Amino acid sequence: DIQMTQSPSTLSASVGDRVTITCRASESISIWLAWYQQKPGRAPKLLIYKASRLESGVPSRFSGSGSGTEFTLTITSLQPDDIGTYFCQQYHNYWTFGQGTKVEIK
Amino acid sequence: EVQLVQSGAELKKPGESLRISCKASGYSFTRDWIGWVRQMPGKGLEWMGFIFPLDFDTRYNPSFQGQVTISADKSINTAYLQWSSLKASDTAMYYCARLRDGLDVWGQGTTVIVS
Repeated sequence: DIQMTQSPSTLSASVGDRVTITCRASESISIWLAWYQQKPGRAPKLLIYKASRLESGVPSRFSGSGSGTEFTLTITSLQPDDIGTYFCQQYHNYWTFGQGTKVEIK
Repeated sequence: EVQLVQSGAELKKPGESLRISCKASGYSFTRDWIGWVRQMPGKGLEWMGFIFPLDFDTRYNPSFQGQVTISADKSINTAYLQWSSLKASDTAMYYCARLRDGLDVWGQGTTVIVS
């Protein structure tokens, strides 16, 4: 099984800050990685697929990078609407989610 | 508009059976994998399994194999998640989602409480 490890588990930042979340795979997954945002009480929302492709309608302040085993999600200027929990997911060999990163406003 | 609409919340007793549903609209149901994701209270996301409605090819997470059954009815564009004997540990939110590059469309979720 491919394991996905996210860090940090919680992140507190100010509005306007640049925020980075890291996701590491236990083996190479090429670019088969997606990122999701989940707000409390809501279904997750796809932000990024194929490691760096922005889903239609997602603000351009979100970006993804990486390949192989190390990936990052960056929010260039944190907005109040960005609070929530972010999950990475590999789909190279079936599907596995990271444990999530909770983003809060300081 | 592409949509997945799930059945309503369920309150069941241990040992009871249950089937929840996910109705797709706005796209060709038989052309994409569709599946189920569990989220236990306060926890992360776990993929349970996916089905390709065209030929009913089904893939299960080994952790859920034998515990649930995933099926689909092409005639009504609906996917199902079924339990034959619920346990208290099945209490969770269950989401259906369409699989393309990532899970791009999600249902609103179905809360299942077993108590």
